[in-house]
Amino acid sequence: GENVEQHPSTLSVQEGDSAVIKCTYSDSASNYFPWYKQELGKRPQLIIDIRSNVGEKKDQRIAVTLNKTAKHFSLHITETQPEDSAVYFCAASIRVGSYIPTFGRGTSLIVHP
Amino acid sequence: GAVVSQHPSWVICKSGTSVKIECRSLDFQATTMFWYRQFPKQSLMLMATSNEGSKATYEQGVEKDKFLINHASLTLSTLTVTSAHPEDSSFYICSAPYTDTQYFGPGTRLTVL
Repeated sequence: GENVEQHPSTLSVQEGDSAVIKCTYSDSASNYFPWYKQELGKRPQLIIDIRSNVGEKKDQRIAVTLNKTAKHFSLHITETQPEDSAVYFCAASIRVGSYIPTFGRGTSLIVHP
Repeated sequence: GAVVSQHPSWVICKSGTSVKIECRSLDFQATTMFWYRQFPKQSLMLMATSNEGSKATYEQGVEKDKFLINHASLTLSTLTVTSAHPEDSSFYICSAPYTDTQYFGPGTRLTVL
């Protein structure tokens, strides 16, 4: 089955700095890569996603890049703000009927004001 | 976007009792729903896939007789934790796919005394 590795487990940055979270996946058939943000005690919320036919996608301060050859994808947050502090999960999935994503272990992002 | 609700948001029960958690897709139909368990500061662990009108599919290591899943309609799946014990205390989250995206419920915090 799919295996997703995520690094780092904890990331501490100063407000205004950039943050980068990296994930690798094992199954070359995976074709959909969402990123979720989870605040303490709340549900994971989709913040951005990318499909295997695209190398990069950007939404305001958030961007995701995908390298299919190397089987890794990354989340980039620029101009970080304290409200960006949360746990971020990457996931990889194969669209087979109702797809089931495999999640990374999560990255706890702390943005210091 | 699609909305998934979950009830109750938290529950405290005595050891040996059973607890039922409901997951509803509010504005879309879901033939499949997923149940996850999340321990503090850990990732989402898929427990089972709930299939409308048929038996649930359980992940390896998850006891199907302990975690009963019923998907009686296209908008409702229930998870019943039977004969709960303190080690079952956790955050349980359901999700349902809409197009290619997983939408999560707000989660249920179960505490077994």
